[in-house]
Amino acid sequence: DQQVKQNSPSLSVQEGRISILNCDYTNSMFDYFLWYKKYPAEGPTFLISISSIKDKNEDGRFTVFLNKSAKHLSLHIVPSQPGDSAVYFCAAYYNAGNMLTFGGGTRLMVKP
Amino acid sequence: NAGVTQTPKFQVLKTGQSMTLQCAQDMNHEYMSWYRQDPGMGLRLIHYSVGAGITDQGEVPNGYNVSRSTTEDFPLRLLSAAPSQTSVYFCASRGVSGELFFGEGSRLTVL
Repeated sequence: DQQVKQNSPSLSVQEGRISILNCDYTNSMFDYFLWYKKYPAEGPTFLISISSIKDKNEDGRFTVFLNKSAKHLSLHIVPSQPGDSAVYFCAAYYNAGNMLTFGGGTRLMVKP
Repeated sequence: NAGVTQTPKFQVLKTGQSMTLQCAQDMNHEYMSWYRQDPGMGLRLIHYSVGAGITDQGEVPNGYNVSRSTTEDFPLRLLSAAPSQTSVYFCASRGVSGELFFGEGSRLTVL
């Protein structure tokens, strides 16, 4: 049973618009959340993170929102660019930070 | 700056064969881990290590062995490969801020 779920396998957005990627989790013990981006034939690369004591973290065009009561986090990309086209994974830490569990990924396509 | 290096990048095995996926990092990270990526399943943790001489199981450890004799190296061994182990394998080490740095992956096919 996946503890971190990304229910949208794909998302298509026009260049310049906002991309919103969603992630739900079931384990209330998760205390640190991360987003990774992955291009084909490459390893995932870290994008942005958020601690459970915060509800928002921003880094340039990327903002992550955390709603603990709903066990939901989202990644906003504004404005979206064609180079953002990739698979995005959300992930969460538990077990004193020793185990990072990933969602199934969402493929984002940004059209010029 | 090499980061995390995995070898080989591609491998084809027959059922029952054994092999070792190599992983090395040059960032002096204590924590290292192995994941496998399968379509729709995301990345699943196989084994991890919090330092030399210490390893532990992740979510899907069956069929895999690991050891950690040095800080730099964390090899993953398949003792008797099965078609269910066909996957893309990623090694990662963890920085001080908690983010994982991944290698480029090793694509394994078991016939």
